[in-house]
Amino acid sequence: EIVLTQSPTTMAASPGEKVTLTCRASSSVSYMHWYQQRSGTSPKLWIYETSKLASGVPNRFSGSGSGTSYSLTINSMETEDAATYYCQQGSSYPPTWTFGGGTKLELK
Amino acid sequence: EVQLVESGGGLVQPGRSLKLSCAASGFTFSNYYMAWVRQAPKKGLEWVATISTSGSRTYYPDSVKGRFTISRDNAKSSLYLQMNSLKSEDTATYYCARQEIRGTFDYWGQGVMVTVSS
Repeated sequence: EIVLTQSPTTMAASPGEKVTLTCRASSSVSYMHWYQQRSGTSPKLWIYETSKLASGVPNRFSGSGSGTSYSLTINSMETEDAATYYCQQGSSYPPTWTFGGGTKLELK
Repeated sequence: EVQLVESGGGLVQPGRSLKLSCAASGFTFSNYYMAWVRQAPKKGLEWVATISTSGSRTYYPDSVKGRFTISRDNAKSSLYLQMNSLKSEDTATYYCARQEIRGTFDYWGQGVMVTVSS
């Protein structure tokens, strides 16, 4: 079973600041998906297949990575970006789907 | 517009059963895998179950295998989660989610709260 570890657990950023969130897999994976969950709301698919932005996601967001290390970057932090971000991947044999523990991004 | 609306949550005693439902609309339900994902209070997301388009294949993590059963009724565009032998650690908000072939959960319901307590 692949374990996803996100870091940091919590962080704060000022408006305009560049932000990088990290997700590390216990074994090499082919891709990573990311979700955004604002307080009190349901998660939303945010980035899929490592670097593709979901519909409606601002282009200040980007995703990258390979192997066991993946990241989500916000080029310039905005107020609306304050949320918890989860990474996620799937395994084929046996079919299971795993989430990271999340990174809570707060506005400084 | 894709909509997923969960129902059936509530307070239940340990060891008892509960069945959640999810009504889907805005897409061809029978074309998609569907899933349940839960979130314990103040905790992260945990995948709970997935069902194939026809319902012939189901998948669970070890934490719920043998206790939870996912099912669907394509004629009614509805997804279900039968939860038996409930434990306090099953207390969570349960989300119904559409699952794409690439493994993403691209649409989520608003969630339904399940509290397991005596």
